[in-house]
Parts: sequence; C-alpha cells; structure tokens
Amino acid sequence: GAGVSQSPSNKVTEKGKDVELRCDPISGHTALYWYRQRLGQGLEFLIYFQGNSAPDKSGLPSDRFSAERTGESVSTLTIQRTQQEDSAVYLCASSFAGGGGETQYFGPGTRLLVL
Amino acid sequence: AQSVSQHNHHVILSEAASLELGCNYSYGGTVNLFWYVQYPGQHLQLLLKYFSGDPLVKGIKGFEAEFIKSKFSFNLRKPSVQWSDTAEYFCAVNAPNQAGTALIFGKGTTLSVSS
Repeated sequence: GAGVSQSPSNKVTEKGKDVELRCDPISGHTALYWYRQRLGQGLEFLIYFQGNSAPDKSGLPSDRFSAERTGESVSTLTIQRTQQEDSAVYLCASSFAGGGGETQYFGPGTRLLVL
Repeated sequence: AQSVSQHNHHVILSEAASLELGCNYSYGGTVNLFWYVQYPGQHLQLLLKYFSGDPLVKGIKGFEAEFIKSKFSFNLRKPSVQWSDTAEYFCAVNAPNQAGTALIFGKGTTLSVSS
C-alpha cells in the first residue's frame, strides 16, 4: 500500500510481558517517528530515526522502551515488562526528510491494552 | 513547561455554523505549525501547515489558519462547517531550536457537527 502501515492493530497483554510493535513507513521516506497517545491526551513523541544517523531517543519514557529501524525501512518498538500505564495507542509516522517543516504521514496505530 | 494548548476540549455546532478552534504554544523563535485531523475510524492526516511566508494558511476542505506570532497562536477556522467535519482536531508545533524535529501536540479538540 501507499501509506504507513502498523501491526498489530490491537494488542492485549498481561502486565510484565514484553510486546513488539511494527511500523512500515512509506517507501522512500527517510524519517520515521514513534508517538504514544494515552486516553484523553495529545500525542507524545517517543523516538525519531533519520537515515543512518543515531536516533533521537529523548522521548522514551523509560529504559523499558526501545526501538530499532533497519536502514530506511521497517521499525519495531519494543516495550519490556509492560505496565498498565503503557496502555495507549502507539502511532508511527514517516516523512520524506527529517526537517521540522516536513509533513509527517501517520499510520493507523496499534492500540495496546495492558491488563 | 513549554507546551501546546488547545482551549476547547469538545465543540458542538450545527451545520453551516462558523468554526474557530484555538491553539497557543509557548515556544519562542522559529516554529513550524500544523493542524492534523482524525475522522472517525481513520488515521491522522494533515489539514494544513505553516512554516514561512503568508501567515494565513489555507488547507483542505475549506479550512484555514492564521499564525499570529505576537500572540503565539495558530487558530483554525472554517466559515461554514459540514456534518462531515465531525472529527478530532490536533494542533502541533515543531520548534527545531528547542525540541528537535519532533512534533509537540495539543490534547485535541473533538468537533461534533449536527445536521
């Protein structure tokens, strides 16, 4: 497809389990972002990848959160030892380049529920 | 703390009414400004953006926004709303000198339009 895709669309897990969320950006987009949206809140920036540069991890809330990206393609966000406060919609976005004025194209999100 | 504020949490209008959604931010210096919209069951998409030039920006579906630097505002307007404008609207700011390339989002405004 032409847009950003994410999988799974929904994930229910038990507290303490690890989860892995996947993002496929738009082909040719060098920049990729992960955001989190808790209920009733705006989107919170988590991490940013730009080409082969070191990622900007300044938004990751704890060391339980990590993300990887292979080149300029797929990215995975991993949450270890999930907690109930991790319940949220996790959104991925990509843009053609990494400048702040670039339009970011969002995927449908993964809705995570930690029981 | 530096932030993006959307003043209205939920706005209810009748069709043909005029719309103005407020957005204020607290970042100084250069900013790139965005309004994103999320229609029911769909993912976030760009409505319009400002990064330089004419402070009155026109977007899709008859929406416009005005950047007023002295007021740190970027309010969204539409002269006559339609039922299909029912959605959640997010203001977002990129402040490259202070917050890198990430978008900082407001908490969103839910617009309900009755026919």
